[in-house]
Amino acid sequence: GDSVTQMEGPVTLSEEAFLTINCTYTATGYPSLFWYVQYPGEGLQLLLKATKADDKGSNKGFEATYRKETTSFHLEKGSVQVSDSAVYFCALSDQEDDKIIFGKGTRLHILP
Amino acid sequence: KAGVTQTPRYLIKTRGQQVTLSCSPISGHRSVSWYQQTPGQGLQFLFEYFSETQRNKGNFPGRFSGRQFSNSRSEMNVSTLELGDSALYLCASSLVLGGGTEAFFGQGTRLTVV
Repeated sequence: GDSVTQMEGPVTLSEEAFLTINCTYTATGYPSLFWYVQYPGEGLQLLLKATKADDKGSNKGFEATYRKETTSFHLEKGSVQVSDSAVYFCALSDQEDDKIIFGKGTRLHILP
Repeated sequence: KAGVTQTPRYLIKTRGQQVTLSCSPISGHRSVSWYQQTPGQGLQFLFEYFSETQRNKGNFPGRFSGRQFSNSRSEMNVSTLELGDSALYLCASSLVLGGGTEAFFGQGTRLTVV
């Protein structure tokens, strides 16, 4: 079945560092891809999404490009802030329904 | 507009009891999905409802059930609770069915089974 694999955490960076969180997926069809973020004590918030190959999703300085050839959707940000500390989930959704398959999550710590 | 509302936020139950969790989706949203989040298994899909019909179900035992009402509000029920059911239960609503549609999540109900 469909699955998502993302890099293990925690990831600890200093403020203003460059961030990459790797994500690869396995899917039989042509899924939509997402990055969700979960702040402490909160539910999930959609950070960005891409619905077809070569689409780039972006939001709040974060970017990810849907790479069909490498089945990847890596999250990047050029300069992280302390407020970016959270857990990040890569996810996919089949075109037919709303079932979302999540990766295990990557906890990000940003040090001032 | 109001977001997805889940009640209660916290719950403590004893093994063997049953529990009902509630989710009110964003006004106008007709699709509601439920997820279980645990440290060991991460986020796992429970089921999805659209227009009062269960459209999809994850790999959970029959003790987990749900329903959706005509106003799109949804409830999930867990019977004969086990210690392993302790988790954060998240509800998500979306406007329509179909991959790529943004899902909005509630803050969750944290269930502790003792």
